[in-house]
Amino acid sequence: GAGVSQSPSNKVTEKGKDVELRCDPISGHTALYWYRQSLGQGLEFLIYFQGNSAPDKSGLPSDRFSAERTGGSVSTLTIQRTQQEDSAVYLCASSSRQSSYGYTFGSGTRLTVV
Amino acid sequence: RKEVEQDPGPFNVPEGATVAFNCTYSNSASQSFFWYRQDCRKEPKLLMSVYSSGNEDGRFTAQLNRASQYISLLIRDSKLSDSATYLCVVNFWNQAGTALIFGKGTTLSVSS
Repeated sequence: GAGVSQSPSNKVTEKGKDVELRCDPISGHTALYWYRQSLGQGLEFLIYFQGNSAPDKSGLPSDRFSAERTGGSVSTLTIQRTQQEDSAVYLCASSSRQSSYGYTFGSGTRLTVV
Repeated sequence: RKEVEQDPGPFNVPEGATVAFNCTYSNSASQSFFWYRQDCRKEPKLLMSVYSSGNEDGRFTAQLNRASQYISLLIRDSKLSDSATYLCVVNFWNQAGTALIFGKGTTLSVSS
C-alpha cells in the first residue's frame, strides 16, 4: 500500500478482555516496529521485527503483550487481560531497512480500556 | 536511565522568530539521528535526518555533536504552521538489533 495502515483506528474494550491490533506495513518494507504513546507522553518502544530474524521484544511491558508478523508483512499486536493502564495510542511503523533510514508511521490505534 | 532527553518546553514564539531545540542522548554507539514532527493527535512524521557535518532544509538546520552526544534543531523565520511537538530520535543498539528511541518531544507554539 501507499502508507502504513492500522486497524482499528479506535478500540474501546472492557478491562480483562483481550484485544488485537493490526498493522499493514508499506509493501516491501522489511522492518516493522510497534510503539505506544500514552496521553501527553513520549513514544515507548514495544517490539521490532526485521525480516526473518527473531523479533526484539525488549520493550514489551509485560507477558500480557505479544506480537507476531506473518509472512514478513502484516503484524498483529495482542494484549491479553487488558488493564486501564494499557490505554494509549498504539503506533506501528515500517522502514525499508533497519533504523538508519527513519520510519513511516501509521495513524495509530487509540485503545481505551474501561 | 533516560536515553534521549529534550527540554519539553513549551516554547512560545512570535511569527518570524528563530528558535532552537536541543537534545542529548546517552548511547555513544548511536549512529542514526533524526528530528520528527508530531502534530496534536497525529502520528510522528520524519522532518529530517541529522548528519555529522550538519545539514539544512529550507528554514530548518540540524546539527550533531558526537563528542558531546548532542543534537540541535534550529528553525528560522517561524511560521504558524510550525506549531507542533518536535521529537529528537536516536537509534539504539541492543543484543537483538536496533530500534529508534524517541525523546518525549519539545512543544513549539508560534503565534501571530
